[in-house]
Amino acid sequence: DIQMTQSPSSVSASVGDRVTITCRASEDIAGWLAWYQQKPGRAPRLLIYAASSLHSGVPSRFSGSGSGTDFTLTISSLQPEDFATYYCQQANRFPPTFGQGTRLEIK
Amino acid sequence: EVHLVESGGGLVQPGGSLRLSCVASGFTFSSHEMNWVRQAPGKGLEWVSFITSSGNTIYYADSVRGRFIISRDNAKNSLSLQMNSLRAEDTALYYCARSLTSVTIDHWGQGTLVTVSS
Repeated sequence: DIQMTQSPSSVSASVGDRVTITCRASEDIAGWLAWYQQKPGRAPRLLIYAASSLHSGVPSRFSGSGSGTDFTLTISSLQPEDFATYYCQQANRFPPTFGQGTRLEIK
Repeated sequence: EVHLVESGGGLVQPGGSLRLSCVASGFTFSSHEMNWVRQAPGKGLEWVSFITSSGNTIYYADSVRGRFIISRDNAKNSLSLQMNSLRAEDTALYYCARSLTSVTIDHWGQGTLVTVSS
């Protein structure tokens, strides 16, 4: 199975900050990567698919980049509602696998 | 608006069975691939199973293969997961999830909790 490793596991930041989360795949997945946001007690929400495509309704402060094995999710200016856990997921081949999650906390 | 509503979760003893159901609305169910994804309490996301729109192709995670069976009824806009030989490690919130493309998921239900314990 393809292993997905996110870093950092947690990060503290302030409203207005720029935050970057990275995701590394154990093998080449081309651009088959998605990013999800999950808030406590809620289902995950798709943010980015195909590494850099913004899903419908997602604010433009979210962006994704990368290809091959290294990917990033960037939030350009943190808003209060962005404090959550973020997961990457490879969609290159079965079984699809998720990163362990990055918890974004308020500083 | 897309809605996915799961049901069927509950408390079951190790070795027991449960059948989860998901009713879809707000989109053409028969046109979309579907998934089950689970999340153990306080843990991350784990994909469980995938089924194509026609039901002709199915995949399972190694952890459930041979014990779980995914199926769908396009006439009833429903997705099911038959879970047999349940183990404590199957305890999780189970999400019904719609594929955007392949296994990129664009809509999730709210989940149904399965607890395997004696």
